[in-house]
Amino acid sequence: DAGITQSPRYKITETGRQVTLMCHQTWSHSYMFWYRQDLGHGLRLIYYSAAADITDKGEVPDGYVVSRSKTENFPLTLESATRSQTSVYFCASSPNRGPPYNSPLHFGNGTRLTVT
Amino acid sequence: DAKTTQPNSMESNEEEPVHLPCNHSTISGTDYIHWYRQLPSQGPEYVIHGLTSNVNNRMASLAIAEDRKSSTLILHRATLRDAAVYYCILRSESGGGADGLTFGKGTHLIIQP
Repeated sequence: DAGITQSPRYKITETGRQVTLMCHQTWSHSYMFWYRQDLGHGLRLIYYSAAADITDKGEVPDGYVVSRSKTENFPLTLESATRSQTSVYFCASSPNRGPPYNSPLHFGNGTRLTVT
Repeated sequence: DAKTTQPNSMESNEEEPVHLPCNHSTISGTDYIHWYRQLPSQGPEYVIHGLTSNVNNRMASLAIAEDRKSSTLILHRATLRDAAVYYCILRSESGGGADGLTFGKGTHLIIQP
């Protein structure tokens, strides 16, 4: 089915381990985004990508790495997980951001990550 | 970025209309008003957006004040499935900097049966 899917849905990892969260969309949307959601902070942008091989930092990029070799995939890697990265992570996509800049974002259902 | 102000929570009864307010007194002429909602354990979901004129779609209506300093999301007949956090977000046409949306705390809508 067309849409945006995130995997895994739940992940428990240990401090210091590397973990990759996957995001795949079938719409061929140019823009993709990673957000994290924490109690008391709401949704915050980690990284975004305007197209394949083009990525840029958002509000809270430290400790995260992204890549986008294909339009449809936008994995998020925590190179050395810390407890402060325990959160719910949401991936989103949207079509080209041309005028009038009103293309909605489509979100996945999230990955709940716990770092012990 | 221009900010929005929403009530922390609102309560309504099932099958009644719901009016969710949003203040955005520093809105600029190129800012679009977007509404998203987040159901429990799900990602945010697009609801509606507008610039100056009132907008309707299958989910809701958006009423925008003439001076654009406030807007109201209208759910015409709330159901229990409309219980969610509703976010009012300004998205600038001029862009620049990080793309995407800046989420505030939103309004937690509670629907009573």
